[in-house]
Amino acid sequence: DAGVIQSPRHEVTEMGQEVTLRCKPISGHDYLFWYRQTMMRGLELLIYFNNNVPIDDSGMPEDRFSAKMPNASFSTLKIQPSEPRDSAVYFCASRPTSGAYNEQFFGPGTRLTVL
Amino acid sequence: AQSVTQLDSQVPVFEEAPVELRCNYSSSVSVYLFWYVQYPNQGLQLLLKYLSGSTLVKGINGFEAEFNKSQTSFHLRKPSVHISDTAEYFCAVSWMDSSYKLIFGSGTRLLVRP
Repeated sequence: DAGVIQSPRHEVTEMGQEVTLRCKPISGHDYLFWYRQTMMRGLELLIYFNNNVPIDDSGMPEDRFSAKMPNASFSTLKIQPSEPRDSAVYFCASRPTSGAYNEQFFGPGTRLTVL
Repeated sequence: AQSVTQLDSQVPVFEEAPVELRCNYSSSVSVYLFWYVQYPNQGLQLLLKYLSGSTLVKGINGFEAEFNKSQTSFHLRKPSVHISDTAEYFCAVSWMDSSYKLIFGSGTRLLVRP
């Protein structure tokens, strides 16, 4: 089992540029979560999907952020345009519907720096 | 609103000493409880979880936690820490009516000194 895979691991971009973060959940997991981690705000849930459908996006900070899950094995988080305050570590996590009692499995994260 | 509180942002301790990291949550409604550990530049790894049954839960790396329903607490303990335990520790709670959300505490940085 490869675990949750995220790419890239590090991203440095300039303000105003579009940024796309990618996530491959664990096979068979039908819940997928996107989190953002910063020193100031800690770990925040941005959005989560069930069976590729967005269920709760109330944590998405603003319209510059969007997330998609075109199939069960792939999700993207896009920031357009990016701003310096978006600099953070973005985590993807997944979990199966049954048996895990909400235990989530986290990817290694993408460290985003917006200059 | 549902919330998770980790009062200690940092806990310094000497190697081989015992440690307790505190976690309290906002409601006594049925919950699932978790502790995750994050080593530098890595993702979160599950340390242990309470789902039901015995209130004392044992996890990996010699850690254990005790669920106290009346005090709405889930404190993490280790009788003797190692340098390698230096990491950030997050308490997380899932309320059974919360649509599969995990609410995380702000984290406690455990700093083990030789």
